[in-house]
Amino acid sequence: QKEVEQDPGPLSVPEGAIVSLNCTYSNSAFQYFMWYRQYSRKGPELLMYTYSSGNKEDGRFTAQVDKSSKYISLFIRDSQPSDSATYLCAMSQGGTSYDKVIFGPGTSLSVIP
Amino acid sequence: DVKVTQSSRYLVKRTGEKVFLECVQDMDHENMFWYRQDPGLGLRLIYFSYDVKMKEKGDIPEGYSVSREKKERFSLILESASTNQTSMYLCASSFPQAGALPLFGPGTRLTVT
Repeated sequence: QKEVEQDPGPLSVPEGAIVSLNCTYSNSAFQYFMWYRQYSRKGPELLMYTYSSGNKEDGRFTAQVDKSSKYISLFIRDSQPSDSATYLCAMSQGGTSYDKVIFGPGTSLSVIP
Repeated sequence: DVKVTQSSRYLVKRTGEKVFLECVQDMDHENMFWYRQDPGLGLRLIYFSYDVKMKEKGDIPEGYSVSREKKERFSLILESASTNQTSMYLCASSFPQAGALPLFGPGTRLTVT
């Protein structure tokens, strides 16, 4: 079993839809949870991050962590064509000098105008 | 505008050539990383460095070496390029603390023919 699993998609939605992107993980020691957005042929950019459980909202984006289920989600409201990208979840335990970050394989999202 | 830069966006090399990929960050980060990204395999850590002249093997170091002579610069070296090293190479950097968030460069698409 991989440490972090993510449905690769592709996921195709109409403009304005609510999008739910999800990851599951196996290591209960993970404390930090991140979402990166990667446009085609570009490097990943950090979108949101949360510590431990709970929700965090930033504009149209909401990150949710359920540590009891080892499940994290990213919700995108009022999706736009500019949201079309690959979304990578990532997580880490919170070490000292080096905190190894484990990435999911990414979900490809297309928002159709 | 803080950032991670990579020396080339696209590179084509022949089998057996020695290849240098360079990465520079201007955020005074102690940690620097090299990943490769392949379809279906996600991001895989090749090497990382937590200080000048320090390096540690990641998950797939075979066929690669690295150099970090200055804090802001981290180089990835393919001693003898092979076709199975055709990939997207991503450099990232972060502070050395729990929950440090890697910030990525734009990537180098390397093709070995």
